Amino acid sequence: QKEVEQNSGPLSVPEGAIASLNCTYSDRVSQSFFWYRQYSGKSPELIMSIYSNGDKEDGRFTAQLNKASQYVSLLIRDSQPSDSATYLCAVNEYGNKLVFGAGTILRVKS
Amino acid sequence: SAVISQKPSRDICQRGTSLTIQCQVDSQVTMMFWYRQQPGQSLTLIATANQGSEATYESGFVIDKFPISRPNLTFSTLTVSNMSPEDSSIYLCSVERPLAGETDTQYFGPGTRLTVL
Repeated sequence: QKEVEQNSGPLSVPEGAIASLNCTYSDRVSQSFFWYRQYSGKSPELIMSIYSNGDKEDGRFTAQLNKASQYVSLLIRDSQPSDSATYLCAVNEYGNKLVFGAGTILRVKS
Repeated sequence: SAVISQKPSRDICQRGTSLTIQCQVDSQVTMMFWYRQQPGQSLTLIATANQGSEATYESGFVIDKFPISRPNLTFSTLTVSNMSPEDSSIYLCSVERPLAGETDTQYFGPGTRLTVL
């Protein structure tokens, strides 16, 4: 059973702080990794994709990938109350199938 | 990204009935997917909708329960048949819209919230 693991949270951070969200995956051959944000009652919205080891930055978001450790993370700098949501880690298996983690609830306190 | 619409946005149905959910994309896409998100849970892939061929179902999902149509490259339907309260979920379609230099990026429709009484 291929799995994607995330801490369910909630992760609480003060406004302006860095939020760090983590994800581990079991399938060593996975090549594509995604972070989605899901507000309550809404559908998932793509934040970042990452394919290579290292960091990828997009605005306040940085995705980090370490394939040797089977670990992917998302950093949110200068966290805002509007960042409060559930963050879903997704890993692409063979055949373009996305396997999702259970999600981490992030709460940014103003 | 992609503009994806789903109909209906929500529905309340009686057990034993069926509901067909429509997914429309603003441009042609090769890959369309149907997911289920049960209350408080993450997303689970139901099937991949292939244009011109049968859908490919994941373990635990069968065609008799979740028949799928894909008549063209911009449209798909998912039917939830013979519903029971356990089918109460959000049903989401997604499409694969690769970005330049990236593959297999998926974008989601707004979802259909189904309640079965």
